Amino acid sequence: GAGVSQSPSNKVTEKGKDVELRCDPISGHTALYWYRQSLGQGLEFLIYFQGNSAPDKSGLPSDRFSAERTGGSVSTLTIQRTQQEDSAVYLCASSLTGINTGELFFGEGSRLTVL
Amino acid sequence: EDKVVQSPLSLVVHEGDTVTLNCSYEVTNFRSLLWYKQEKKAPTFLFMLTSSGIEKKSGRLSSILDKKELSSILNITATQTGDSAIYLCAVDAGDNNAGNMLTFGGGTRLMVKP
Repeated sequence: GAGVSQSPSNKVTEKGKDVELRCDPISGHTALYWYRQSLGQGLEFLIYFQGNSAPDKSGLPSDRFSAERTGGSVSTLTIQRTQQEDSAVYLCASSLTGINTGELFFGEGSRLTVL
Repeated sequence: EDKVVQSPLSLVVHEGDTVTLNCSYEVTNFRSLLWYKQEKKAPTFLFMLTSSGIEKKSGRLSSILDKKELSSILNITATQTGDSAIYLCAVDAGDNNAGNMLTFGGGTRLMVKP
């Protein structure tokens, strides 16, 4: 697609439920990143994919968080047994690997609210 | 642990004013520093800086990196209401296996009043 696409744009869920967030990166971008942005805060790194593998999962806050990427394209971020502190905007970005432009192209994010 | 700190946290100015936003960093493997503008949702790229002392300019915005002081500034002259946004500073401190993984600061929220 023309840009990074994320869905859903908004998700309200009850504490304890599982949620799945989806990211469709720019076609041809092999690198994909998930960040989390809490209200009024900067971006917190969660996980990075190179192709289908995740060399860096260091930012995942707990074992309730997992992510996968299939076919080198679409990625899903899954949060199990959601907690209120998981409420945030989850931003996905993609970039061309091997080209140190530093520029990440961001989607519009998925706003998660856990009641 | 890599760290990026921005100041001020927020700023309110009037149209026509000039503002300077600050970013300092402590990282182990500096490759580049980037500035992004976030108006509502998706951050959009402004500048990437890799060399000290070379100013990057785009219209009323400019930025410069000081590797000795481990810092960067973003200047906006003749501010307009459309400049109101969160300005994010990020550092690429990854190795060649880390793609373009960025560490972000907490952002500066700029509000420009008419």
